Amino acid sequence: GESVGLHLPTLSVQEGDNSIINCAYSNSASDYFIWYKQESGKGPQFIIDIRSNMDKRQGQRVTVLLNKTVKHLSLQIAATQPGDSAVYFCAEKDTGFQKLVFGTGTRLLVSP
Amino acid sequence: NAGVTQTPKFRILKIGQSMTLQCAQDMNHNYMYWYRQDPGMGLKLIYYSVGAGITDKGEVPNGYNVSRSTTEDFPLRLELAAPSQTSVYFCASSSEGTSLYEQYFGPGTRLTVT
Repeated sequence: GESVGLHLPTLSVQEGDNSIINCAYSNSASDYFIWYKQESGKGPQFIIDIRSNMDKRQGQRVTVLLNKTVKHLSLQIAATQPGDSAVYFCAEKDTGFQKLVFGTGTRLLVSP
Repeated sequence: NAGVTQTPKFRILKIGQSMTLQCAQDMNHNYMYWYRQDPGMGLKLIYYSVGAGITDKGEVPNGYNVSRSTTEDFPLRLELAAPSQTSVYFCASSSEGTSLYEQYFGPGTRLTVT
């Protein structure tokens, strides 16, 4: 079983609701941000990314919003499904080469 | 493509023992990474490599060593296992040819040191 993330903040939603997962970042020089999804017992999986010269980017059922003024990133999932249940991590690109700094994650629980 | 593969999936070590965590990718990615993930925490970068023969330290390198003799393989070595190294270890790879910072992760190795 998956024991990683036992003490993570948790967002519980009903199937069909829209979900918003938030992330605060600390490095004002970060120029690239990514959201990853980690299902129980698996490695993280890329969802969507955004560059710092953008405020919003949309994918399939997902939207990422970036507010550089308050250093805040959010992931919106439309019509949340039980298969969306997972831990979601934001990551920012360090000014170093190809290195990502990950946040602590948020657990999303979707009830049928 | 198998993507990124890791072996073993689980391992229990006694304090002071050594082991090598294996990682391989078949996507011809030049960048590879090792992370550890502790309960309730995000991923911490241990080591990374930008190509065969080139490695560099990440955020938490102490107690680990790596080598990159081929593009495909990036093993992580623990020489003297300590309880603080109990964690889940993930290997990842990426390429400039695709999304520049999109990393592909393996399934992880769960290591317990007692």
